[in-house]
Amino acid sequence: QSVVTQPPSASGTPGQRVTISCSGSSSNIGSNTVNWYQQLPGTAPKLLIYSNNQRPSGVPDRFSGSKSGTSASLAISGLQSEDEADYYCAAWDDSLNGVFGGGTKLTVL
Amino acid sequence: QVQLVQSGAEVKKPGASVKVSCKASGYTFTNYAMHWVRQAPGQSLEWMGWINAGNGNTKYSQKFQGRVTITRDTSASTAYMELSSLRSEDTAVYYCARGGYCSSTSCYTGIYYWGQGTLVTVSS
Repeated sequence: QSVVTQPPSASGTPGQRVTISCSGSSSNIGSNTVNWYQQLPGTAPKLLIYSNNQRPSGVPDRFSGSKSGTSASLAISGLQSEDEADYYCAAWDDSLNGVFGGGTKLTVL
Repeated sequence: QVQLVQSGAEVKKPGASVKVSCKASGYTFTNYAMHWVRQAPGQSLEWMGWINAGNGNTKYSQKFQGRVTITRDTSASTAYMELSSLRSEDTAVYYCARGGYCSSTSCYTGIYYWGQGTLVTVSS
């Protein structure tokens, strides 16, 4: 069981907006930044969002991140079939240990 | 561009050790942290530890303390992760991943680039 919690699954139809939540505590998300990763089947994770809401170059602006208190969210607008993947949030605790969420499997219906 | 190339798949017997390598290119190796993360089949990502590639300081997850050793060879721009006393539950894909910028004393948190992964299978 991860100390950072994500819903195990999410779904949406093409063009829809989907949100994935990530809930932690004051010792991790509450006091450090959050990153989000996309993992397509059979591949390594890829950085999607860093420092709560920053997109690396090359990541479409359909992807956005936010953080409030001890929770963070990833929003995907204009959902596309190629967005079907596993999504993970990650944070750091006060002892500088890395913590990953349990992952959310996104299905595009 | 940043590239992390890992060593090939391994099959080990219970009780043995495994050492996975990660060769970095496209950036100044000693300026950044290198993390190790594993993913058991069908499971989430699990952080194992990191090394400040500049000064060699390490930090390990409490779960793996005593069983994992992360080292680096600055002349080869390569990081290593060795896991000992292997058991079947250690069967997983092991990833190296470049972290944040490091000063002489500390590193920024975060993981930004990932290697392709190395499958380690533990089976008798």
